[in-house]
Amino acid sequence: AQKVTQAQTEISVVEKEDVTLDCVYETRDTTYYLFWYKQPPSGELVFLIRRNSFDEQNEISGRYSWNFQKSTSSFNFTITASQVVDSAVYFCALSRLSGAGSYQLTFGKGTKLSVIP
Amino acid sequence: EAGVTQFPSHSVIEKGQTVTLRCDPISGHDNLYWYRRVMGKEIKFLLHFVKESKQDESGMPNNRFLAERTGGTYSTLKVQPAELEDSGVYFCASSSNIVGIYGYTFGSGTRLTVV
Repeated sequence: AQKVTQAQTEISVVEKEDVTLDCVYETRDTTYYLFWYKQPPSGELVFLIRRNSFDEQNEISGRYSWNFQKSTSSFNFTITASQVVDSAVYFCALSRLSGAGSYQLTFGKGTKLSVIP
Repeated sequence: EAGVTQFPSHSVIEKGQTVTLRCDPISGHDNLYWYRRVMGKEIKFLLHFVKESKQDESGMPNNRFLAERTGGTYSTLKVQPAELEDSGVYFCASSSNIVGIYGYTFGSGTRLTVV
């Protein structure tokens, strides 16, 4: 069975601080995909990144960076120099091919990030 | 391009009534998904359409839920009759690629409250 754990329910930081959101996953598959989504107050889930299980290179996109470590089954997300606009709920998700030939996302419960000005 | 559109954004209905949720995916996206989040729980997969065909409906909770995607364009999710435990946020997503190479684009969701 698949599982995604985001142990941090809520985090508050002061603007310009760095913050890391943790994501730990469980799967028996060798091929899988990991995602991060942002849910701002408007409600939609905004795609941030997708990483496949064979690509352990870390990625940086502006102030965002992701650290994927298969050895610890973690896919952590760091925001550098946080801004108020980063305030949102962030979801980590795992997908794999189901028996029915579909890729289902398994989500964590989300981490609510509040950036205080 | 326009994103995934869902309506209504909110719906409050009484137990036993019927509600139909609609999702308009991004034009040209063959893959359409329904997910839901009930209070305090994770977002869970309901089903996946490829064009007008149901590829995987293993997440549908019971036969009170009926999803359709006529003509492979928009999709509807009907709950009949609604029960209290059906309350939650229903998300629709679409993608051009089944493995989500470019991610899955989600809508803003429909918040359903059954009273």
